[in-house]
Parts: sequence; C-alpha cells; structure tokens
Amino acid sequence: NAGVTQTPKFRVLKTGQSMTLLCAQDMNHEYMYWYRQDPGMGLRLIHYSVGEGTTAKGEVPDGYNVSRLKKQNFLLGLESAAPSQTSVYFCASGGGVRLATKNIQYFGAGTRLSVL
Amino acid sequence: SQKIEQNSEALNIQEGKTATLTCNYTNYSPAYLQWYRQDPGRGPVFLLLIRENEKEKRKERLKVTFDTTLKQSLFHITASQPADSATYLCALDIGGYNKLIFGAGTRLAVHP
Repeated sequence: NAGVTQTPKFRVLKTGQSMTLLCAQDMNHEYMYWYRQDPGMGLRLIHYSVGEGTTAKGEVPDGYNVSRLKKQNFLLGLESAAPSQTSVYFCASGGGVRLATKNIQYFGAGTRLSVL
Repeated sequence: SQKIEQNSEALNIQEGKTATLTCNYTNYSPAYLQWYRQDPGRGPVFLLLIRENEKEKRKERLKVTFDTTLKQSLFHITASQPADSATYLCALDIGGYNKLIFGAGTRLAVHP
C-alpha cells in the first residue's frame, strides 16, 4: 500500500499563476483533508471532504478551492497564487472502518510551494 | 476559539533520559487527543490516541496522560534514543468527521 501520495513534491509559482495539487489515497478512507504548515504554527485546515462529491471549508479556506470527484482523490487548487500562500501543504485521509484506527489521520509527504 | 499550546522551545535531553512534552489547551472539551511525530521534510505520523475517559495510555517506550480538568496532556518518551529526535505534535479532536486542531509542535533533540 502506498498510503497517501501527494504530487508534486515541490513547485515554484509566480504571483497570479494557478496550479492544482493532487492527493491520492489507497486506504478506502471516507475523509480527506488539506492542511498548510508554516514555521512556528501548527497545521491549519484549509478544506476537507467527508465523502465523494462533498467538500467543506476549514480554518483558512480563502484563496483555495477543492474537489473530490473520486473517493480516492482530493484536489487542492490555487486560482491566483499569492506570496502569502508560500507554505508546505499536507494532505491527510482518515475515517477508516476499523474501530482501532478510525480516528487516525494518515498524512502524505507534503508539497513545498513557493510563490514569488 | 480553541487554542492549543506546546513548548515552543526545543527540548534537549541526554540519551537514556525521559523526555516529557506538554500540551495545553483552552476553550474546548475534546473527545480525544492525539500525538504525532514529524521528521524534517516528512508528513506527521500518528503515535498515540487517548480518549477523554482515559487517564493514561502506553505504547512501548511512549506514555501519554490526559487531564481534562487541567486541560493538559503530557507525552513521555522513556529511555530516549537519538532516533527519537523529531518534532512532536499534539492534536485535539474538534468534533465531527475526525477534524483535528494541531499545536505548533515541540522539537526534541536527544544527544548521545
């Protein structure tokens, strides 16, 4: 099992450019999440999804859009990148059926994004 | 709003000693609390979960306590090793769909 896979691993954008980050999970999890992590701050939830075709806003959703057309994939889009969106982005999945693990989140390796 | 605080300074300890990390929170009553480990350039990895009705949980050299009155969790690593050096994140359940709020983490360095 690959677990949670994020692509790309690194990206540099110019202000105003757009891009999509892809997250794929092979654990048949219902829930998926997008976070950003900045120095000195905890992971902050951007958007999340509780099932195929559903999305919801998290703590810091402005400037981002998401889609979950397939259960295994969760896409994060930046329509017009800004320097304030320079960060490391993590995707996670969770909500498995096993009682012992249903509350755990499984993370990808992250995408390091720089917006110049 | 919910607030979660961890030791902001790095914790340096000698190999073999017990490391104790603190997580304090306000304005919430979580059903459970989790600890994750994060290595540089990697995503967080789950370590332990403790529920509100549990006082203590152990896993090998790891122990976590949860005091809902003090709104505090302590995370202990006994017989620490240099391989335990990492950042440790505390996370609270904030209700529904396994959503979590994370602390900024405490960086632990174990010296030989």
